[in-house]
Formats: sequence, structure tokens, C-alpha cells
Amino acid sequence: LAKTTQPISMDSYEGQEVNITCSHNNIATNDYITWYQQFPSQGPRFIIQGYKTKVTNEVASLFIPADRKSSTLSLPRVSLSDTAVYYCLVGGEGFKTIFGAGTRLFVKA
Amino acid sequence: EAGVTQFPSHSVIEKGQTVTLRCDPISGHDNLYWYRRVMGKEIKFLLHFVKESKQDESGMPNNRFLAERTGGTYSTLKVQPAELEDSGVYFCASSQLPGHPADFGTEAFFGQGTRLTVV
Repeated sequence: LAKTTQPISMDSYEGQEVNITCSHNNIATNDYITWYQQFPSQGPRFIIQGYKTKVTNEVASLFIPADRKSSTLSLPRVSLSDTAVYYCLVGGEGFKTIFGAGTRLFVKA
Repeated sequence: EAGVTQFPSHSVIEKGQTVTLRCDPISGHDNLYWYRRVMGKEIKFLLHFVKESKQDESGMPNNRFLAERTGGTYSTLKVQPAELEDSGVYFCASSQLPGHPADFGTEAFFGQGTRLTVV
């Protein structure tokens, strides 16, 4: 099971671009990289998933270098409502999930 | 379309009592998962149902926990008797495709969780 490492917390201001990097040095060849977002008192919510290079959807972009040992979630022009915990997940061991501690993003006005 | 719903949202019980948590997955989702976060620690897997069958229950902490999914629709998670260390937030998730929430194409939809406090 690929272990992930993320910053514990990050602060930002409204309107800024936020980049959260996740390290996963032991990622396996067939592992995808997935990011979930969790607001207080809610369950995690899927944001984006990718395998390599760049993936973009209406919420975020995901940048994955060629060696796939890290990935960066990019949130364009964050707002106060983007304050949440962001989890980076890589692969899985059967149906088990270890979400990790995640990155607590705090967006200030 | 309704998302994954969990009931109750909060439960406070005394040590030794029994509590039953309920999860209603998204209609048509055969795969249902239970997770929990205990005492501010990481979210950990408990078990996985495919329809009414337990696919993997290796994350269940001990035999005080019993999960069922009769008829392959909603699921219940019973804790009997509850202990102080069972306090935490219990999440349920469902997906159309089987697999890990980080597997390709397997988007897991989570409920809001049930906060269980054992006193």
C-alpha cells in the first residue's frame, strides 16, 4: 500500500490559487491518484483522479510528474467555502482505505 | 438524486449499552462500505458489502461490532456492548463499481457520518 505524505495544514486568502502537494514514493504501476475533500460534519467527497500528466475538471486540476512519486492538487481562486480537509489517496489494498491525516486548508477573507 | 444518508447524525450512549447505526446508500449502488474515525485519528476501513454479502470485514475491530445488509439495500452497524474507545465518527459510503475509493473510476459517495459518543 503506497503511503502518502501531505502537509498538515495550509493557509490562504480568498482569490488565491492553492497548491497542495502529496508525496507517494512507493506508488505502484497500476495505482491511480485520487483526491477527496471533507467539510466539517460531512463525509469525504471525491474531487479529482488521475494517473499521469495533468487532469482538470470544474473544481480542480491535478498535476502528476513523469515519475508519479508526487502529485499536486491545484485549486484556482479559492473562496471561504473551500476551507476543508483535503486527502490524497493512492491505490488500495483490497478494499481498504487509509485516508491519512489530510491537509487542513484554511481560507481567510 | 438522494445521496448516502446516515441515521442518526449524533448518538450519545452509556458504556455497555447497544447502538445501531443505519446507512442508506445511493439507489442502485451494490457496494457499501463502513469507515470510522476514532478520537481524531485517521479514517479507517471497517468493512465492505457487495449487495447483501460481506466482501471484506477485515477492518472490524472486534466481535462487539456487527454489520448487516439484509436485502442488499440499507445497512446497519450495531455496537454491543459499546465501550468508551468506540467513540468517533462512523461513515458509510457507496459506489456503483466495486473497489477502493482510489481505484480508477470507483468514485465513492460518503454520507455525513454518525458521531457516536460513549460515556
